[in-house]
Amino acid sequence: AQRVTQPEKLLSVFKGAPVELKCNYSYSGSPELFWYVQYSRQRLQLLLRHISRESIKGFTADLNKGETSFHLKKPFAQEEDSAMYYCALRSNRDDKIIFGKGTRLHILP
Amino acid sequence: DVKVTQSSRYLVKRTGEKVFLECVQDMDHENMFWYRQDPGLGLRLIYFSYDVKMKEKGDIPEGYSVSREKKERFSLILESASTNQTSMYLCASSLPGQGSPYEQYFGPGTRLTVT
Repeated sequence: AQRVTQPEKLLSVFKGAPVELKCNYSYSGSPELFWYVQYSRQRLQLLLRHISRESIKGFTADLNKGETSFHLKKPFAQEEDSAMYYCALRSNRDDKIIFGKGTRLHILP
Repeated sequence: DVKVTQSSRYLVKRTGEKVFLECVQDMDHENMFWYRQDPGLGLRLIYFSYDVKMKEKGDIPEGYSVSREKKERFSLILESASTNQTSMYLCASSLPGQGSPYEQYFGPGTRLTVT
């Protein structure tokens, strides 16, 4: 079964501290993974995709096939990073995306 | 920029009413989706359409139906609204995924309250 697990509902981190949002997936084949973000009163939007191997707003995420993980990391948290973060997996059968339940990141001043 | 719009930001309906949620995208996307977003449950797919007049059930289609008569418009219908359908509803659209970086673009959401 295809599944995305985000074990933390809420993560509180002090400004300037490192951030790691955990994501594990279950998938047969080569996965296509994403992180989506929703800031307060804004629409859900793509943050980054693993195939692009990019850094967006200081965030990176590395696909670890051995551990079936795609954790989102940032070395120094900023207050504007406070948001809801969803890890997501594209279905191997069609264009549907399977979302995790989300982690709310709260950056403490 | 891709624009996905939803007809209402907030909606209050009574139990048993028929409710229509409208979504329009302006980028000629083939795929359109309806999700509901609930705290602690994340996003759950209700219905998916990959072409005009085509639809597929998602994970939680019960109590909902959809209509896609034109490429740019995808409607979600609650035939007889119930209180457990109180939620945030998100519409999204995308191009087909083959051969291009895949991304779903989301609307601002409609917060529906059923009383």
